Amino acid sequence: EVQLVESGGGLVQPGGSLRLSCAASGFSFKTTAMHWVRQAPGKALEYVSAISSDGARTYYGNSVKDRFTVSRDNFKNTLYLQMGSLRPEDMAVYFCTTWNGKYSDSWGQGTLVTVSS
Amino acid sequence: EIVLTQFPATLSVSPGERATLSCRASQSISSNLAWYQQKPGQSPRLLMYDASTRATGLPARLSGSGSGTEFTLTISSLQSEDFAVYYCQQYNDWPFTFGPGTKVDLK
Repeated sequence: EVQLVESGGGLVQPGGSLRLSCAASGFSFKTTAMHWVRQAPGKALEYVSAISSDGARTYYGNSVKDRFTVSRDNFKNTLYLQMGSLRPEDMAVYFCTTWNGKYSDSWGQGTLVTVSS
Repeated sequence: EIVLTQFPATLSVSPGERATLSCRASQSISSNLAWYQQKPGQSPRLLMYDASTRATGLPARLSGSGSGTEFTLTISSLQSEDFAVYYCQQYNDWPFTFGPGTKVDLK
């Protein structure tokens, strides 16, 4: 069974940084591309970032480009999202998902990031 | 960036009735469209991909259609577990984008 467990969320001040992690199990992580998707309270879903299975290719949404960095450790079966220069509008639940090159077929339960002074 | 519009924003339906949800893309996305269901407090669940292919284990009362810019998700006979928010998502071009969602609630 695919399991994705996000962690690292919490309260951070505007302008601050935070690193999210997503621990993966139940599938071949090293051969699977991954996504980060976020959802602000009461709002729609938004793609944040994507990374290829080997980490060589990364993609970012327009709203986080140059502030967020996605990475992965295929030995630890873990996906990361380093978030910097955080803004109130970055406050959301952040989900990690598997990506088969098209859609997100498995999702974690998410971790909440709150940006507030 | 491809913009997806979903309508209606809210659909009030009685159990056993048919529900038709629409999704429109700002430019052609071929059949590169997925549908997700999300219930309160839960993560989204994949329902449909390639516009009309049901995800594994999904009941036949769910069907998808469309290509280009116009797409439809139909639930032929609404069950209690179908009350949720439904999102369409395009994967034709990065950044992938979601629609704003359609909430299906009890009439």
